[in-house]
Amino acid sequence: QQQVKQSPQSLIVQKGGISIINCAYENTAFDYFPWYQQFPGKGPALLIAIRPDVSEKKEGRFTISFNKSAKQFSLHIMDSQPGDSATYFCAAKGVGGKLIFGQGTELSVKP
Amino acid sequence: DAGVTQSPTHLIKTRGQQVTLRCSPKSGHDTVSWYQQALGQGPQFIFQYYEEEERQRGNFPDRFSGHQFPNYSSELNVNALLLGDSALYLCASSLLDLNTEAFFGQGTRLTVV
Repeated sequence: QQQVKQSPQSLIVQKGGISIINCAYENTAFDYFPWYQQFPGKGPALLIAIRPDVSEKKEGRFTISFNKSAKQFSLHIMDSQPGDSATYFCAAKGVGGKLIFGQGTELSVKP
Repeated sequence: DAGVTQSPTHLIKTRGQQVTLRCSPKSGHDTVSWYQQALGQGPQFIFQYYEEEERQRGNFPDRFSGHQFPNYSSELNVNALLLGDSALYLCASSLLDLNTEAFFGQGTRLTVV
């Protein structure tokens, strides 16, 4: 019940394309769903986050879509750029505030 | 605002040794959490400290222990190091509120040989 499943494991997108990463969770007690971006040798950096009472949140080129009934959420990166090449993690905040992370998606944006 | 700072950035230890990693939280934050990130994996929650007490603990053995000081900074200690403890250790700080963001440091890369 504490798992967050993320797919795909890796993704290659052409510059200007749309990158889509999906996550699914089981525990309905989760109440905060952030996405983190991580570059090699660096710590995860918060990209965008959503709460379950909202179905979509957009910040610049990044959009989270949230489907509470299906217990799924996804990250869309519009107009993907080579600088977006990184590993992306979805997460869910559980009881007491600990973060449960997905397995990560390695995104490569080709020029 | 310096954000979350961790030291050292890299560390090499021998199997069986003990190690201490340090973390200073983001200014204004009162809660520190530690995560272990193995290569190619997502971070795994180790434990969380608030008001100098361990509030929550993940599925890690007692060899992993921690401490939080009155200034909110924190230490992670690992005893009797195993080769499998080699990982990036991340510190995250936040406010004790389920709906606030957690900010991560750059991590400490621990290699056990």
